Amino acid sequence: GESVGLHLPTLSVQEGDNSIINCAYSNSASDYFIWYKQESGKGPQFIIDIRSNMDKRQGQRVTVLLNKTVKHLSLQIAATQPGDSAVYFCAEINYGGSQGNLIFGKGTKLSVKP
Amino acid sequence: DGGITQSPKYLFRKEGQNVTLSCEQNLNHDAMYWYRQDPGQGLRLIYYSQIVNDFQKGDIAEGYSVSREKKESFPLTVTSAQKNPTAFYLCASSSGVGYEQYFGPGTRLTVT
Repeated sequence: GESVGLHLPTLSVQEGDNSIINCAYSNSASDYFIWYKQESGKGPQFIIDIRSNMDKRQGQRVTVLLNKTVKHLSLQIAATQPGDSAVYFCAEINYGGSQGNLIFGKGTKLSVKP
Repeated sequence: DGGITQSPKYLFRKEGQNVTLSCEQNLNHDAMYWYRQDPGQGLRLIYYSQIVNDFQKGDIAEGYSVSREKKESFPLTVTSAQKNPTAFYLCASSSGVGYEQYFGPGTRLTVT
């Protein structure tokens, strides 16, 4: 069935290092992907998105890479800061699907060590 | 300020009681959503609404009910039929189904 999952449930990095959070998806027909950041006890916040006709998109300190061949999505955070500590979710949408709603992965917890 | 508000932040109820969680948005979004999040888990869709006076079941609608009488409001009722209601509930909205969703701060419901 359709699923969105993550390779690593937890990731610990040193402050100032780059972080890479990975996500695998199984529906090759998905059209749109979003990364969300959720801090403890709060709602998810939009970080960056990418459409299926793109391979890479950059934001401020973040880059999302999409590899449709292997159905893999990654979020790269440059110069990771303590404020980046959170759970990161990838989500996908298949506009041609029955609901066209976001399907969320389970999340990766990023811990930044000072 | 534009955004989504949920109230209350924490809610405690006795088993067997119905409870209604509030969600309001002033983003002029047509679509609204309710998700449930359990510890260490992702988000599971309970109900969503694409437009006023219309709503659809999500993946885990059993034991829940919603209404969409106004564009800006999408309250969720957790009924006594929900077998495991203790969870973190998140409301979201978007300009339409399939677009980026904006989330509220969440309501943590504890039923004892």
